[in-house]
Amino acid sequence: AQTVTQSQPEMSVQEAETVTLSCTYDTSENNYYLFWYKQPPSRQMILVIRQEAYKQQNATENRFSVNFQKAAKSFSLKISDSQLGDTAMYFCAFIIGGNDMRFGAGTRLTVKP
Amino acid sequence: DTGVSQDPRHKITKRGQNVTFRCDPISEHNRLYWYRQTLGQGPEFLTYFQNEAQLEKSRLLSDRFSAERPKGSFSTLEIQRTEQGDSAMYLCASSRVGGYTNTGELFFGEGSRLTVL
Repeated sequence: AQTVTQSQPEMSVQEAETVTLSCTYDTSENNYYLFWYKQPPSRQMILVIRQEAYKQQNATENRFSVNFQKAAKSFSLKISDSQLGDTAMYFCAFIIGGNDMRFGAGTRLTVKP
Repeated sequence: DTGVSQDPRHKITKRGQNVTFRCDPISEHNRLYWYRQTLGQGPEFLTYFQNEAQLEKSRLLSDRFSAERPKGSFSTLEIQRTEQGDSAMYLCASSRVGGYTNTGELFFGEGSRLTVL
C-alpha cells in the first residue's frame, strides 16, 4: 500500500522560531516525487517545496527546507524564522509516475506572535 | 492564465438532489484530477484524466459519481442522489506530464464546497 503518515495533527511555534513537521511514507517504488503543500484557512493549496526521490541533496526554498531520508522513507519540513503568514494546514504528499498524488492527513501549524 | 478555477464555490442542496461541479484547468495542462477533502483531513483521490481519457478511478467514486472531460479541457463532476455523507470540499487540480517540464506538481483550484442537508 502507498500511504503517507503525518503523526503531528497540530503544532505551534513562536514567531521567528524554527519548527519541523514530520512525514513518513510507504512505497515499493524507487522513483517518485515528494511534496509539502500549504493550505491557509479557506484558501487553496499551494506548493511549498518539492523533492525528487533520485536526488540525495535536500531541497530548500528560502525559509523552507526538507530532510529527506530515502531509506527511512522520511520527509520532514523545516520552517525557519516562522512568520504569522505561515499559519496553515501543511500536507505531505507523494506522486509516482505521474499518477495520483497521495496525501497525509495534515498538520495544523499555528504561528504565535 | 489565472490558474485552476472551480464553479460553484459553494453548493447547498437537499438530500437526493443531483449536483454538478465544473473545473477549468490551466490551459496547457493535460492532466486533470478530482479530490475530495473532508474537514481536518487530507485530500482523497477520486479520479484523474489525461486529455479526455479517464485513466483511474478510486473505489471512493461510487456509481452515484460520474466525471467527464469531453474535449480534454474543462471537466465536470456530477453527484446523483446526494447523501449527507457527500458533504465535503471537492478539489480539482491539473498538471502537465510529458516532455521536459514534468515536475510532478499539481496545481489546485480553490475547491467547491458541498453541503447536503
